[in-house]
Amino acid sequence: DAGITQSPRHKVTETGTPVTLRCHQTENHRYMYWYRQDPGHGLRLIHYSYGVKDTDKGEVSDGYSVSRSKTEDFLLTLESATSSQTSVYFCAISPRGSPLHFGNGTRLTVT
Amino acid sequence: EDKVVQSPLSLVVHEGDTVTLNCSYEVTNFRSLLWYKQEKKAPTFLFMLTSSGIEKKSGRLSSILDKKELFSILNITATQTGDSAVYLCAVEGWDGGSQGNLIFGKGTKLSVKP
Repeated sequence: DAGITQSPRHKVTETGTPVTLRCHQTENHRYMYWYRQDPGHGLRLIHYSYGVKDTDKGEVSDGYSVSRSKTEDFLLTLESATSSQTSVYFCAISPRGSPLHFGNGTRLTVT
Repeated sequence: EDKVVQSPLSLVVHEGDTVTLNCSYEVTNFRSLLWYKQEKKAPTFLFMLTSSGIEKKSGRLSSILDKKELFSILNITATQTGDSAVYLCAVEGWDGGSQGNLIFGKGTKLSVKP
């Protein structure tokens, strides 16, 4: 394994509640990414980080925010979860551009 | 609009067969093309291709890129049941920002029957 841990692995939450997903790496890689994967859409980039406190938006960033206060941790927050955010969320890391190693995913269900 | 199209969407073969998976793309300022294998959980990295005509090889898997015709193929020879997975193609472009933009295709689901 490439030293990526996502937590929680599964979560069920209600519409309108805040949710935070955590990605932790032990590789000291500069780049970290959050993707969502949905049937018929493939993997889509939500946000990424290229260093501590350096983040940028991806293709589907609306409704999501991120924070990276330490090299090893990248947090994804849904401020007010909606049913359209039901998905599998993957974190990925890389020493340079292009994600090379993915975490095992978090399955989020918003009811 | 940047896009990555994989074909076929699904494929069923028998052990020992050779398969070819296709990936065509349109992207602004191409930087690289990547292949991943996804079984039940996380995608795992297979290859990164940046130059035309140079084959990347790992065991029974190989891949080549054609930057003129904007496509790549992934070949798997002597398939095994363990090759059953979704194979993802992704292309990195660059819009002048701080990071390349990686666009994923929808994947090819390969099923290898014993």
